[in-house]
Amino acid sequence: NAGVTQTPKFQVLKTGQSMTLQCAQDMNHEYMSWYRQDPGMGLRLIHYSVGAGITDQGEVPNGYNVSRSTTEDFPLRLLSAAPSQTSVYFCASRHRDSAYEQYFGPGTRLTVT
Amino acid sequence: QKEVEQDPGPLSVPEGAIVSLNCTYSNSAFQYFMWYRQYSRKGPELLMYTYSSGNKEDGRFTAQVDKSSKYISLFIRDSQPSDSATYLCAMSAAIQGAQKLVFGQGTRLTINP
Repeated sequence: NAGVTQTPKFQVLKTGQSMTLQCAQDMNHEYMSWYRQDPGMGLRLIHYSVGAGITDQGEVPNGYNVSRSTTEDFPLRLLSAAPSQTSVYFCASRHRDSAYEQYFGPGTRLTVT
Repeated sequence: QKEVEQDPGPLSVPEGAIVSLNCTYSNSAFQYFMWYRQYSRKGPELLMYTYSSGNKEDGRFTAQVDKSSKYISLFIRDSQPSDSATYLCAMSAAIQGAQKLVFGQGTRLTINP
């Protein structure tokens, strides 16, 4: 059971470049989410999905796209990277009925120059 | 005003001290109250949770919830250097049939040998 996996672990982008952060889980969880974590700001929800084919915006969705074609995968796309998107990105998953336990991936450290 | 407020610290204490971490919140609909622990360069992991008001103890850790004051605490007794991490409070409520999770900013804790 690998849990939640994320790739890459580190990435440096130039302003204007696009890229996709990968996330996968093998726990058959319905809910998956993307967060960014910045100093003093805590975890901020970017996008989330309640099942394959269903996604919705979180607190800070601008500049990011998501899709969910399978239960296992939930990629996050940066359309045109900006320095303000320099952050650590975490993918998380949980069972639909879980009110308290969410499983996080190891994170992707992204720097945009 | 944020729904959940947590002092980001940092907090530095000597080994063996009792540590108190706190969060306040504004949404009275929250019913589950969690503490996640995040080691450096890792994803957060659930440490413990409490449903509604009251105390819960797990080894050296005690979680307290005071719903009347909208205040939660995590106490660590006999603190160890291995407890050095960022601690995030989190809360959840059932909103329109789905569980909404909200995280605090996290408090960075260092236990000095």
